Amino acid sequence: GAVVSQHPSWVICKSGTSVKIECRSLDFQATTMFWYRQFPKQSLMLMATSNEGSKATYEQGVEKDKFLINHASLTLSTLTVTSAHPEDSSFYICSASPYESEETQYFGPGTRLLVL
Amino acid sequence: DAKTTQPTSMDCAEGRAANLPCNHSTISGNEYVYWYRQIHSQGPQYIIHGLKNNETNEMASLIITEDRKSSTLILPHATLRDTAVYYCIVRVGDNYGQNFVFGPGTRLSVLP
Repeated sequence: GAVVSQHPSWVICKSGTSVKIECRSLDFQATTMFWYRQFPKQSLMLMATSNEGSKATYEQGVEKDKFLINHASLTLSTLTVTSAHPEDSSFYICSASPYESEETQYFGPGTRLLVL
Repeated sequence: DAKTTQPTSMDCAEGRAANLPCNHSTISGNEYVYWYRQIHSQGPQYIIHGLKNNETNEMASLIITEDRKSSTLILPHATLRDTAVYYCIVRVGDNYGQNFVFGPGTRLSVLP
C-alpha cells in the first residue's frame, strides 16, 4: 500500500512554544490530506482537511489560528501547534489518498506531542 | 455516512480465527465497508474494504451479508501481533475529499 510518513514521531516542548508536524506522502501525490487528533483511550477525531494550494477546512471547535495548516505541495502538509499548552498534548495523525486508489486512505504513524 | 456498531472488546486464542462483527443497518447503496486497525501508539492500518461481495487479501477476509446490514472481518490465524483496536467504517467509496469517521472500535486481545 501507499506510504505516509510523519515527522517528528514524538516531541516534548514547553508551554507557550510552537511545534510543527510534517506529513508526507512518500510514493504518491495527494491534493487532500486530513489531520486527526487522538486523546488517550479515545478514538480518532478529525481536526481539519488540508487542501493543496488553498485554505484548510477546520472542524467545529478547532481553532484555526492555533492549529495552522500549510499544504504547500502535493506531497507535504504541515500542522503547526502555536503557543502550545498542556491540554494540546495528544497523538496527532495525518492521512491521505492516492488518486489511483482514491477509495482508500493511508495513515501516517502519528506524532505524540507532550507539552510541559 | 452510515453509523456502525461493534462490540467493545473481544478475546481470541492465538492461532485461532478471530471473527469481528460489525452492524451497519443504515448503509446506503454506494457506501463501502472499510476495516482499519490501530496497534497501540501507531497510526491506523488499512486492512480491507468491500461493497457487497466478499473480499479476501493477505491480511484478512471480509464477509458482507446479502442485505449489507452487517459484516464480519475474519483474521484466519490470529497472532499476538494482531492485538489492536479494529475499526469498522462505512463510507462512500470514490469520495476523494471525504475523511473517515472513526467510532470506538473493537479492542481485540489475542491470548497466548
